[in-house]
Amino acid sequence: DTEVTQTPKHLVMGMTNKKSLKCEQHMGHRAMYWYKQKAKKPPELMFVYSYEKLSINESVPSRFSPECPNSSLLNLHLHALQPEDSALYLCASSHELENEQFFGPGTRLTVL
Amino acid sequence: RKEVEQDPGPFNVPEGATVAFNCTYSNSASQSFFWYRQDCRKEPKLLMSVYSSGNEDGRFTAQLNRASQYISLLIRDSKLSDSATYLCVVNMRMDSSYKLIFGSGTRLLVRP
Repeated sequence: DTEVTQTPKHLVMGMTNKKSLKCEQHMGHRAMYWYKQKAKKPPELMFVYSYEKLSINESVPSRFSPECPNSSLLNLHLHALQPEDSALYLCASSHELENEQFFGPGTRLTVL
Repeated sequence: RKEVEQDPGPFNVPEGATVAFNCTYSNSASQSFFWYRQDCRKEPKLLMSVYSSGNEDGRFTAQLNRASQYISLLIRDSKLSDSATYLCVVNMRMDSSYKLIFGSGTRLLVRP
């Protein structure tokens, strides 16, 4: 299994909703990442997990809350989002922090 | 100055052409280097890692010049399916972690 999977593919939510994005990999990778990508821009790093511990938080607002329940899973909990948070949310994993990263297909999020 | 700079293009070339993309990075602490391709509304996919000795994968050749902080990608015999955005990516060590820094991408259009 050489892929990173993400669910859901699409998500529409209101500003008062709570939702979660999920990411899974079974490549035995020990580092996992969340990125946000707006149209015609490169991905922007949000969070880095290494060996299930948060390694980098790029000053992301607290309405985004990451969770790494085990080495294969990464969640992103969303609460009280703003319309400007609408974007493609990408999960990635790598064998270790210094290795190349493999991206999941992303969740396209729309906040109304 | 951006940490990773690329010509945004677009490069509009006929099938069969050879096209070269260049990229410069500003931080000499950069550890590893990659080219990713990203199709419209899809996730970035790793094209190749880039080494100082240069590396080739079929029609694609990547070069790294650490002294000049310069990375290149050469595509020979362009195919229609090569049309995409090519992202130059640098992995930088940040304290006890690493962070991928993306260039803004170079758009390639291969025409029949």
